[in-house]
Amino acid sequence: RKEVEQDPGPFNVPEGATVAFNCTYSNSASQSFFWYRQDCRKEPKLLMSVYSSGNEDGRFTAQLNRASQYISLLIRDSKLSDSATYLCVVTLNTGGFKTIFGAGTRLFVKA
Amino acid sequence: NAGVTQTPKFQVLKTGQSMTLQCAQDMNHNSMYWYRQDPGMGLRLIYYSASEGTTDKGEVPNGYNVSRLNKREFSLRLESAAPSQTSVYFCASSFATGQNTEAFFGQGTRLTVV
Repeated sequence: RKEVEQDPGPFNVPEGATVAFNCTYSNSASQSFFWYRQDCRKEPKLLMSVYSSGNEDGRFTAQLNRASQYISLLIRDSKLSDSATYLCVVTLNTGGFKTIFGAGTRLFVKA
Repeated sequence: NAGVTQTPKFQVLKTGQSMTLQCAQDMNHNSMYWYRQDPGMGLRLIYYSASEGTTDKGEVPNGYNVSRLNKREFSLRLESAAPSQTSVYFCASSFATGQNTEAFFGQGTRLTVV
């Protein structure tokens, strides 16, 4: 089983739609959680951190459920510019700190 | 404010050739990473270094070696390149403790092995 698993996608949605991405992680010792965005042929960049209390940044809402080992990202009122790959990221500190990425979910927002 | 710098940005190798990918960060991060990303795929961890002087295998270490030269620099070496190593390679770094443990990436090295 992979350490971080995401919806395979791709998601094709019209502008203005609400879209939700799901992610699960296997190691209960995981410490920190993030969503990254990756544009085609570019490096991944941090979109937002994910906290147990949930957090919101404009149209983006991230939630963490430690008991279920589940992370989500909700994008409201999708824009064309939201088209990208969204990566779920987990950090572990088990004999050495490391950052593990999910395979990513591709999002296409269409006019 | 350079962040994470990778060199080279592009490279073409013949099968069997060797090369070293360089990575340096100026953010005083403890941890550094090398990932590879194949077309249409996610990032896979090759090796990581939790601190200066330590390195550990990730998900796909075969065919690679790494050196954490000092706190700033973490290099990836291909001793005998194979076509299966054609990929985009990303270096990243992060703090290992505290609130801000997100990883920052270099711009990537696009490697083709023919």
